[in-house]
Amino acid sequence: SYELTQPPSVSVSPGQTASIICSGDRLGDKYVCWYQQKAGQSPVVVMYQNNKRPSGIPERFSGSNSGNTATLTISGTQTIDEADYYCQAWDSSTWVFGGGTKLTVL
Amino acid sequence: EVQLLESGGGLVQPGGSLTLSCAASGFTFSTYAMSWVRQAPGKGLEWVSGINYSGGNIYYADSAKGRFTISRDNSKNTLYLQMNSLRAEDTALYYCARHIVGVTTYFHPWGQGTRVTVSS
Repeated sequence: SYELTQPPSVSVSPGQTASIICSGDRLGDKYVCWYQQKAGQSPVVVMYQNNKRPSGIPERFSGSNSGNTATLTISGTQTIDEADYYCQAWDSSTWVFGGGTKLTVL
Repeated sequence: EVQLLESGGGLVQPGGSLTLSCAASGFTFSTYAMSWVRQAPGKGLEWVSGINYSGGNIYYADSAKGRFTISRDNSKNTLYLQMNSLRAEDTALYYCARHIVGVTTYFHPWGQGTRVTVSS
């Protein structure tokens, strides 16, 4: 079965750029979306189709996908961005999530 | 406002059964595909099952095949997940989510979840 791999944690200082990666075999051939899940809340989509922001998602969120790696980038990270982030892709009639990355802003 | 409200969770013994419901409102339920996604305590997201707008196409994760059945009643704006032969590892918060389909598909919004605990 297809697997998506994310680092368990990423730390960033406020105002700096955070990059969260998601790796999978030939992931660049697929479309990737990203979800943000804050503590005690349901997930919310922050990026779809690799680099499209849903309405209401700040411009500081951006995405890319090439080769075996998709990246969610948060520019000018704010404390409110502290959350778990999950990548997701479709493969062989199943939806696959990455294991999640805890973003700490400190 | 688009809303998804899950219900039906609870405590069940190993080997038991449970049926979850997801009541949809604020949109034309019969035109959207839907999924169930679960999250074990302290763990990540795991997609469980998906169903197209009519119920004609259904997909399952390997962990759900043969034990879980997804269905929908478009006249009641409700999505279901029937779970049989439950195991301790099925303990999780179960979310329903609406599919937004374009060039690709993503899930939006998600409900608040219903908790399932499998324990003796």
